[in-house]
Amino acid sequence: DIQMTQSPSSLSASVGDRVTITCRASQSISTYLNWYQQKPGKAPKLLIYGASSLQSGVPSRFSGSGSGTDFTLTVSSLQPEDFATYYCQQSYSLPYTFGRGTRMEIK
Amino acid sequence: QVQLVQSGAEMKKPGSSVRVSCKVSGGTFSTHTITWVRQAPGQGLEWMGRVIPVLGTADYAHNFQGRVTITADKSTTTSYMELSSLKSEDTAVYFCARPADRGTFDIWGQGTKVIVSS
Repeated sequence: DIQMTQSPSSLSASVGDRVTITCRASQSISTYLNWYQQKPGKAPKLLIYGASSLQSGVPSRFSGSGSGTDFTLTVSSLQPEDFATYYCQQSYSLPYTFGRGTRMEIK
Repeated sequence: QVQLVQSGAEMKKPGSSVRVSCKVSGGTFSTHTITWVRQAPGQGLEWMGRVIPVLGTADYAHNFQGRVTITADKSTTTSYMELSSLKSEDTAVYFCARPADRGTFDIWGQGTKVIVSS
């Protein structure tokens, strides 16, 4: 199985900050990497697919990059509604494994 | 648009089984797989398996092999996830999800809470 390692596991930031989350795959997954946002008590929401494509309806302050084994999710200017947990997930091969999540909290 | 609506919360005894349903409305049922993901309290997301309705076949994560069965009923456009030999560690919220493409999940059910307790 492909292991997905996210860092940091949590971070504190302020509204307006630029933040970056990293995800590393245990083997090359090309650009088969997706990012999700999850708020308490809710289902995950797809933000980025194919490593860098913005899902319809997602604000442009979210962006993704990377290929192979190393990927990043960047939020250019944090808004109050962005404080949530973020997960990366590989869709290269079964089982489609997730990272352990990055919890983003208000500083 | 496509919606996934799951069955209600369940409370089960250790050693028993649970079956959770996921009704798909809108779109074409057979042309997309249905995946099941679970989330234990305070934990991350865990891919459990998927069903391919057009083939009637399923793939499972190693952690659940032998204990989970995922099926799809084309006549009712519903997927089912049955987990047997329940343990307290199976207490979690179980989600179904449908991929836009391959393993990219753009549509999710609301989640079903399963509590396993004696």
